[in-house]
Amino acid sequence: AQSVTQLDSHVSVSEGTPVLLRCNYSSSYSPSLFWYVQHPNKGLQLLLKYTSAATLVKGINGFEAEFKKSETSFHLTKPSAHMSDAAEYFCVVTRNSGGYQKVTFGTGTKLQVIP
Amino acid sequence: GAVVSQHPSRVICKSGTSVKIECRSLDFQATTMFWYRQFPKKSLMLMATSNEGSKATYEQGVEKDKFLINHASLTLSTLTVTSAHPEDSSFYICSARPRRSSGNTIYFGEGSWLTVV
Repeated sequence: AQSVTQLDSHVSVSEGTPVLLRCNYSSSYSPSLFWYVQHPNKGLQLLLKYTSAATLVKGINGFEAEFKKSETSFHLTKPSAHMSDAAEYFCVVTRNSGGYQKVTFGTGTKLQVIP
Repeated sequence: GAVVSQHPSRVICKSGTSVKIECRSLDFQATTMFWYRQFPKKSLMLMATSNEGSKATYEQGVEKDKFLINHASLTLSTLTVTSAHPEDSSFYICSARPRRSSGNTIYFGEGSWLTVV
């Protein structure tokens, strides 16, 4: 079994301040972890992924995430928020199961950036 | 990066009719494609998983006779909403897993807005 918990449904930050979006997961197997961003009326865009290589993963648009196995966390961070970062962010865990891929989404975190 | 194309991006249909949404992987072969539905203010809900050449696996609560999924080739999967009702109005997104995927990466289409009137 696997699950993903995004601890905050809404996060509000001022432009230029750091962003922290939290994600905890549980998985019986070695999972792959992803962060996707969804802008209003748009599809999902891959921000970054962890696939058992380096635990600190750098993604697009200045985002990064650190895989911490001991804490079962994969929090998304950015040093300085930009107005264009306002969107909804999804943490996703996947694993292979019997030749098929099991995908589990978090419930999403809506990021608001205040000018 | 890998590109997944969905068509149409927006569609309006009359109640009782059927509508087909296509999901294509443009520059890779996808052994597995997923269909999701997104309700307002909710997360994505996985509807079904389709593997090329075999029947789709539907999630609990999803009517397989209403949401027909076909994965006829390694680059195309279709979702047909049959006898559409206004409550089927939603945002539908597909994703695809490349045949040679490092670390289970999946790529998403832009989504399709369905409005049933």
